[in-house]
Order: sequence, then C-alpha cells, then structure tokens
Amino acid sequence: NAGVMQNPRHLVRRRGQEARLRCSPMKGHSHVYWYRQLPEEGLKFMVYLQKENIIDESGMPKERFSAEFPKEGPSILRIQQVVRGDSAAYFCASHKTGGPSPPNEKLFFGSGTQLSVL
Amino acid sequence: KQEVTQIPAALSVPEGENLVLNCSFTDSAIYNLQWFRQDPGKGLTSLLLIQSSQREQTSGRLNASLDKSSGRSTLYIAASQPGDSATYLCAASSEKLVFGKGMKLTVNP
Repeated sequence: NAGVMQNPRHLVRRRGQEARLRCSPMKGHSHVYWYRQLPEEGLKFMVYLQKENIIDESGMPKERFSAEFPKEGPSILRIQQVVRGDSAAYFCASHKTGGPSPPNEKLFFGSGTQLSVL
Repeated sequence: KQEVTQIPAALSVPEGENLVLNCSFTDSAIYNLQWFRQDPGKGLTSLLLIQSSQREQTSGRLNASLDKSSGRSTLYIAASQPGDSATYLCAASSEKLVFGKGMKLTVNP
C-alpha cells in the first residue's frame, strides 16, 4: 500500500512560468491537504479538498494559486506566473474519513515538492 | 487565532539522554494535538496524536502529554539514539491544523 505520492520531487521554474504539483493520496483516502513550508518556518495550511470539492481554501493566496482534486487522478496544486517568493517546499497530506476540518485522526504526508523559482 | 510555539528551536545532546520537547498553543479549544517527525528533505511522519479528552499517548520510547488548560504539550523521548536526530513538529488541531516551527534535535553518538 503506497503512501502519499508527490511529484515531481524537485521543480525548477523561471519567473512567470507555471508550476504544477501533483499529489496522489493513499489508497482509500478521499481528503487531501496542501501545505507550504518555507526555510526555518513551520508548515502553513493552504487548502483542504475532497474529491471534486474544495472544502477550505482560506490559506491559499487569492491570485495565481489554484487547487483541484478530480474524481479520477491526483490532486493538482497550480501556481501561475511564479515569482521568487513562491520558492518553498509544498507538502500534500491525506486522510481517510470525512468530518470536521481538520480530521481527528492522523494525517499521512508525502515527501513534498521543492519548488525553486529562478 | 491559534499560535503554536516550540522552544528551543534546536537541541544537541549526547546519546542516551532522556529528552523533553515542549510545545505551547494559545487557543485551548482544540480537537487534538499531534507530534510529527521530519527528516531532511522528507515529508512528515506522524508520531503521536492526543485527543482533546486524553492526557497522554505512548509509543515505544515516545510519550506525549497534553494539558489543555495551560496550553502545553510535551514529548518525552527516552534513551535517545542518533537515529532520533530529526526535526520534531507539534501541531494543534482547532479550526485548522496549526504547526509550530519545529525543534531540530541532534543526538550525538
């Protein structure tokens, strides 16, 4: 049973390009969180999704950032027109059951995508 | 707004010591308190989850306690080993899962 899979592990983009980060949750998990981690900082919540539904996107910048979790396929975090300040590690986490946000159960994290904007 | 603090930011100890890692949070209305471990370049691994109604949880050499009234949680690591070297993060679950900045632990052989 594979864990949470994120790809790519490393992504390099030039300013103004688009970045697409993918996350496949654990088998049987239908809820996904995205977090951003800056150096020497804790993880910051970005968005919480259920399949085909955004539950909470209050942590996501209003512009350039979007997220989706389609019925089939991985969850995608999309950053348009990237800037140097977007350079960070982006982590995805999943859990199995529904319920209040956040869940009253353990989250399982992927290994993250390190985005570097040149 | 929930704020989670971990002090100190880093700790270096010789192998074999019993350790205490501290976590404080400002809003006591939490669902649970979780401790995670993060190795360099890796994601987070969940270590322990303490429900708001519980006082402590144990897993092997790890024991986590929770005192909601004082807004504190403590992670005890018994007989530390070099393999315990990592960054340890606590997270308080209220409206959101809010993380502290972590404590970088180095256990020297």
